[in-house]
Amino acid sequence: DQQVKQNSPSLSVQEGRISILNCDYTNSMFDYFLWYKKYPAEGPTFLISISSIKDKNEDGRFTVFLNKSAKHLSLHIVPSQPGDSAVYFCAASRLNSGNTPLVFGKGTRLSVIA
Amino acid sequence: NAGVTQTPKFRILKIGQSMTLQCTQDMNHNYMYWYRQDPGMGLKLIYYSVGAGITDKGEVPNGYNVSRSTTEDFPLRLELAAPSQTSVYFCASRPLGEKLFFGSGTQLSVL
Repeated sequence: DQQVKQNSPSLSVQEGRISILNCDYTNSMFDYFLWYKKYPAEGPTFLISISSIKDKNEDGRFTVFLNKSAKHLSLHIVPSQPGDSAVYFCAASRLNSGNTPLVFGKGTRLSVIA
Repeated sequence: NAGVTQTPKFRILKIGQSMTLQCTQDMNHNYMYWYRQDPGMGLKLIYYSVGAGITDKGEVPNGYNVSRSTTEDFPLRLELAAPSQTSVYFCASRPLGEKLFFGSGTQLSVL
């Protein structure tokens, strides 16, 4: 029973365009959401996060949107660059309920084509 | 500024052998985790610890053991290696309420 779902295994986008990566969750107790980026042969690195009290968080070219009623979040990358090509993992946690471990989705492989 | 350090980076085991994956962090984080990543799959939690002397099972603990005798170290032990344990293993740590910091991973093959 997957609590965090990334239904698109891969995504290809042209350089300079917007990349939109989607994530759905089933556990309404999740209150903290994160995106991680992973290059081959490296550990995942933190990209951006959002608390459930917000619906948007922006950091440079990266914006995360949260729709609690739909249990959906998305990561927007604008403009996309070739160096953004990586696997992106969505993760969720119950921060205010005992700081539970992060639950990860299966990841989406983003390819940015020059 | 080492962060989370995992050793070894690569290892090949024969079925039935045992080994310990080492993980140490120098950020004084209380929370430490072991995840495994199989091809095309997300990160699945094996074990975690909320502080020295305290460990808890995650989603896929069978075939593994952990210990947490110090804040810095969180080794993962495989007792009787099986082909199903072929995976990439990531150790991670975090302070309370903050993001996870990952090590660079250990690629393990059991043949």
